Parts: sequence; structure tokens; C-alpha cells
Amino acid sequence: QVQLVESGGGVVQPGGSLRLSCAASGFTFSGYGIHWVRQAPGKGLEWVAFIQYDGTKEHYSDSVKGRFTISRDNSKNTVYLQMNSLRTDDTAVFYCAREPYNWTPLGFDYWGQGTLVTVSS
Amino acid sequence: SYVLTQPPSVSVAPGQTARISCGGNNIGIKTVHWYQHKPGQAPVLVVHDDSDRPSGIPERFSGSNSGNTATLTISRVEAGDEADYYCQVWDSSSNHRVFGGGTKLTVL
Repeated sequence: QVQLVESGGGVVQPGGSLRLSCAASGFTFSGYGIHWVRQAPGKGLEWVAFIQYDGTKEHYSDSVKGRFTISRDNSKNTVYLQMNSLRTDDTAVFYCAREPYNWTPLGFDYWGQGTLVTVSS
Repeated sequence: SYVLTQPPSVSVAPGQTARISCGGNNIGIKTVHWYQHKPGQAPVLVVHDDSDRPSGIPERFSGSNSGNTATLTISRVEAGDEADYYCQVWDSSSNHRVFGGGTKLTVL
């Protein structure tokens, strides 16, 4: 069965860095784009970043562009999110999600359980 | 950037019909997806491509999209449907994905 498992969350000071991982199983990983979506405490879902199935295209929300980098290793079925220059308003549960594509994106059909990132001094 | 507007809350009695709106400029020409999100759980895709249901999602969940409003309709609402619901689109001009602010469905 399709599984996405996030890891790497934790507590970090403002200005610090953290790398999240999203390990996938149960499907042909190299055939799917993967996204990161976050939810700050008491807030709604916010799209963060996307990486194409082959790693050749990346897109970022304006709030993280220049600070976060998404990458993938298809040999390890894993997507990463390198987060630098973290701010207190980056505190959130981070989810990775799979997105099928057929001429247009088909929505996020599988999600991980999320990993909590807390930015605090 | 493209903006999606949802009502913060919707309340409905068990067995009744809940309608959750998602407003956006000419949203009818975009493809809308809907997610159910319960506390402490991963979000679940309940409607994709405006009106299609993934396997395992009850027929009680349906969607429509026209003009400047998309709507998620939940028929014969049950207590277990209580959750936050989000609409989402692909903004082709920026290649970004956009979520609405979310609607909390309360079953009275």
C-alpha cells in the first residue's frame, strides 16, 4: 500500500536549519511529483514546495522561496526539504503529499502523517 | 497570486445536507480538489477534478464548479463528517498550488 513517512522535525532556534525527509513506499516513486504542505498552529493548510517526478523542476511558495530547497533521490525513494534561515512563523506540522498528473495536476491523493517543526528560542 | 475564499464555518444537523463554498476569480475554468482534515490525522482527498470521488469515498460527497464558485456537498451528514474542509487549485500562471482558508464543519 502507498505510504509516505516524514521525519526530521524538531525544535530549532530562529535563524537555524533543519532537513526534513519523506520516505515513500508502495508505488513507483519516480513517476510522481511530491509536495510539501504545512499547517501552522490554529491555521489552515499552506502549500510550500513541489518537485517534479524526475527532479528537474521545483516550485516554491513566496513565503519560503530562497530559504527552503526541495530535492529528491529516486534511488532511495525519498524527498527532502532543506530549511534554512528558519523563522518563528515557520512553526508548523509539515506534510509530504503525492500528486498524480494527467495533463493537469489531479490533487494530493496520498499524504504522510506529518512532522512537527518548532522554531523557538 | 490566486486567492480562494471559504466560509470559516458551516453547521448542519445530522441527516441534513452541508454545502461548503469556495470562491475564486473565474474558478469555473480551473480544476478544484477538496480535502477533509481531522485533528491529528493526515488530510484526505474527498473530491478531485471538481466532482470525481476517489475510491473509498462515500457517494454522499459530491462537488460542482461553475463561474466564480465551487461547492462541496455532503448529503446525509454524519457525526464522523465533522472536520475541516479545504478546496485547492493549481494556479497555472505560477505553477503554485493554492488552498482555500478552510471551513470547519460542525455537526450539531
